[in-house]
Order: sequence, then structure tokens, then C-alpha cells
Amino acid sequence: KAGVTQTPRYLIKTRGQQVTLSCSPISGHRSVSWYQQTPGQGLQFLFEYFSETQRNKGNFPGRFSGRQFSNSRSEMNVSTLELGDSALYLCASSEGQGPMGYTFGSGTRLTVV
Amino acid sequence: AQSVTQLGSHVSVSEGALVLLRCNYSSSVPPYLFWYVQYPNQGLQLLLKYTSAATLVKGINGFEAEFKKSETSFHLTKPSAHMSDAAEYFCAVSVTTGGFKTIFGAGTRLFVKA
Repeated sequence: KAGVTQTPRYLIKTRGQQVTLSCSPISGHRSVSWYQQTPGQGLQFLFEYFSETQRNKGNFPGRFSGRQFSNSRSEMNVSTLELGDSALYLCASSEGQGPMGYTFGSGTRLTVV
Repeated sequence: AQSVTQLGSHVSVSEGALVLLRCNYSSSVPPYLFWYVQYPNQGLQLLLKYTSAATLVKGINGFEAEFKKSETSFHLTKPSAHMSDAAEYFCAVSVTTGGFKTIFGAGTRLFVKA
């Protein structure tokens, strides 16, 4: 069974640009969550999707957005990039609607210069 | 509001010694609690989870954790450390608010000395 796949693994962008990150969950998993991980702030919750609906959102500015497709694949977008957006972005999938634990992808390392 | 506190950002043990990583939680409702491990340049891997069944939870790689409601704790232990256990460990609590989200502690980096 394939794990959670995140693409790309590494990304370098310039301030002001936008970026789209992709996540393919484990087959059959309908819940996808996104986290931002930085040395200073640790793991910060971005949003959670279930069956194409955003059910929960963290305290991030509107520049951060996401969506989920009918096949459960998810994308997140960050517009007008800032230096502080440099981080490891982690996607995690879960089988059902309840908190049964995540399976994480390896992440996308975004560097903003 | 739910939260998680991990005591000690760094813990160092000798190979073969007991591993004890401390986690305290705050929750107004019965919590769902988790421990995850992260190796360098990788995502997090679920070690074990507490979902209101047995209070002593056994996980992968010989780790276990005990839920103690009176102490609001969920400490992670392993009887004998192995070099391969060196990693960062995260305690987490899940919150159900409409959907659900998981709040992570700041993490504890475990060093294992030969």
C-alpha cells in the first residue's frame, strides 16, 4: 500500500511569488490535513479536509489556502510568499472522520529567498 | 482549550538505559492522545495512540505509554534504548471541533550515547 506522497520534495521560490504543493493520501483515506513545521514554531495546523470540504482551519493568513479533490488528493497554495513562509510543509491523511492518528508524508521543504 | 506540554526539549540516555519522555495534556473532554517520532528529513510516524480503551498503550519499536488521568500525563517509555531510537518525539492531542485537528507539543529530541 503506497504511503502519503507529497510533491515536490524541495522548492525554492522568490518573495512575492506563489506556490502550490500537492499531496496524495493513502488509498481509501478521506481526511487530509496540512501542517507547517519550523524550528521556532514547531508543528502548526493549517487546515483539514474531508470529502472535499474544509472542516477546520488554523490561524494562518488568507494567503494560505487549500482544496481537496474528489479522489481525496489535496493541494495547498501560498500566495505572495514571504521569507517567513520558509518551512517544511507536511501533509497527513487519516482513514475516517475521527481522530485515529495520521499517516504523514515526507513533506515539502519550501525555501523563500 | 486543549494543549500539550512536553517536558524537556532534549533528553540524553545511554544505549540500553530506560527512555522516559514526558508529556502532560490539557483537555476539557476525554482526550485522544498520540506519540509520533520524526527522523531527520522525514515526516512523522505514529508510534502509539490512546483512544479511551486500555490506559497502558503499546506501540511500535518497543515503546509504550500510560494514560494517567489524575496526573493529566501520557509519558512515553522504552525499557532499553537503542541507537536507532535517536530522533525527535512529539506528543499530540486531537481536538474535535466540527472536524478534527491535532495539536502537537514542541517535541523532545532524544540522543542515545554508545
